[in-house]
Amino acid sequence: DIQMTQSPSTLSASVGDRVTITCRASQSISSWLAWYQQKPGKAPNLLIYKVSSLESGVPSRFSGSGSETEFTLTISSLKPDDFATYYCQQYNSLPPTFGQGTKLEIK
Amino acid sequence: EVHLLESGGDLVQPGGSLRLSCAASGFTFSSLTMSWVRQAPGKGLEWVSTVAGSNGDTHYADSVRGRFTISRDNSKNTLYLQMNSLRVEDTAVYYCAKDRWGSSGWFKDYWGQGTLVTVSS
Repeated sequence: DIQMTQSPSTLSASVGDRVTITCRASQSISSWLAWYQQKPGKAPNLLIYKVSSLESGVPSRFSGSGSETEFTLTISSLKPDDFATYYCQQYNSLPPTFGQGTKLEIK
Repeated sequence: EVHLLESGGDLVQPGGSLRLSCAASGFTFSSLTMSWVRQAPGKGLEWVSTVAGSNGDTHYADSVRGRFTISRDNSKNTLYLQMNSLRVEDTAVYYCAKDRWGSSGWFKDYWGQGTLVTVSS
C-alpha cells in the first residue's frame, strides 16, 4: 500500500497568512492526488484533484502543486472559514490512501 | 444537486452485524462508482470499500475483507454496506461517497453526512 505522510500535523496561523501543507507519498503517484477539507462534525469536502485542479466552487486562494512523491496545498490568504483539518489522498492505485491530516488552527 | 444520506448506524456488540444504507439522488447513480470511507473517533479517514458503476466490481480494505460486503440496488439508487463479525476497532463514522474517475483511480467528489457505528459490549 502507498503511505501518505502529511506535515505538519498541526499548524497555527492567523487570518491573512499564507500557509502551506505538505503531503509525501511512499512511492510515485504521478499526479493522482486530491485534497479535502473537513470541519468538526462534518463530512470532508473536495478541494483539489489531480494535484492542482480546483473543484468547482472552491475559492481561488486554494492551490496545489507537486508531482511524483511530494505535493503541497497552499492557502494564499487565510480566511476565518479555512480553519479546519486537511487531508491528502492518493488515487494512483488501490487501496486509495489518505494522509493522517493537518489541523489548521487559529494562532 | 447531489445528495447522499446514510442510515443504519447503531450500537452493536462485538461479533454482531449491521447493514448501512446510503440513499443517493441528484445524479445517475447506476453508472457511477461509489465508496464507503470511515473515520474512527478523533482519527483520520480510512477507505473501506468501493463498488464500480460500470461492471459492479468490488474492492475492499484488508481490514474488512471477508467481513464486510458492499452492494448496490440501482433500482432504488441505494448503496449498502453489510458489516459482519464486527470488532471494537470498527467503531467509526461511516461515510458514503460518490467517486469520480481520475484516469488511474477514484477520488471522492461528494460525501454524505455520515452514520455512527459503535461496537462495544
